[in-house]
Amino acid sequence: DVKVTQSSRYLVKRTGEKVFLECVQDMDHENMFWYRQDPGLGLRLIYFSYDVKMKEKGDIPEGYSVSREKKERFSLILESASTNQTSMYLCASRDSKDGYTFGSGTRLTVV
Amino acid sequence: AQSVAQPEDQVNVAEGNPLTVKCTYSVSGNPYLFWYVQYPNRGLQFFLKYITGDNLVKGSYGFEAEFNKSQTSFHLKKPSALVSDSALYFCAVRGPTNDYKLSFGAGTTVTVRA
Repeated sequence: DVKVTQSSRYLVKRTGEKVFLECVQDMDHENMFWYRQDPGLGLRLIYFSYDVKMKEKGDIPEGYSVSREKKERFSLILESASTNQTSMYLCASRDSKDGYTFGSGTRLTVV
Repeated sequence: AQSVAQPEDQVNVAEGNPLTVKCTYSVSGNPYLFWYVQYPNRGLQFFLKYITGDNLVKGSYGFEAEFNKSQTSFHLKKPSALVSDSALYFCAVRGPTNDYKLSFGAGTTVTVRA
């Protein structure tokens, strides 16, 4: 089975901190995605990546950046965390048959 | 732009009754349609998908979804609901282009009472 691992289940950070959320997949998938999940809004796409060093903005990229230096790792960066970035963050990877596998999520609280 | 609408925030049914979770979509070209489920304190799990072929897609635990192109819908159904079906259900769509972006609906919370 494909595994998508998000390094932290819960994080609490202070306003203004730089925050790194890490995601690793173990199946050599080219496509990886970062979503945030908020009640009543569903999942919204922040950034995605076609392959190493390639990235594209999703629907809500403001305040975020990403890094994909290696195929298996896709990092989400909050340059200066704000309280409105308190959310559940979900990473996903996609296989060649349109199988999207999600990680367990990181619940980030910015205080 | 592609989008998904799940018109009901919550669906409440009695165990043994039919369950329907509604989904309509908007996308350019032929859609790729998905249902995901999220149980309390669990991650998002793939449930079923439609890409091509038979409009009726059968999933696990007795669920099925029917693709209706004229109504741009992909409703999830189960003839007889169980308490264990209680969860948050998400419908998602992507278009046939090569960006592979999935767009999700807001989600529907299903509660099945004993």
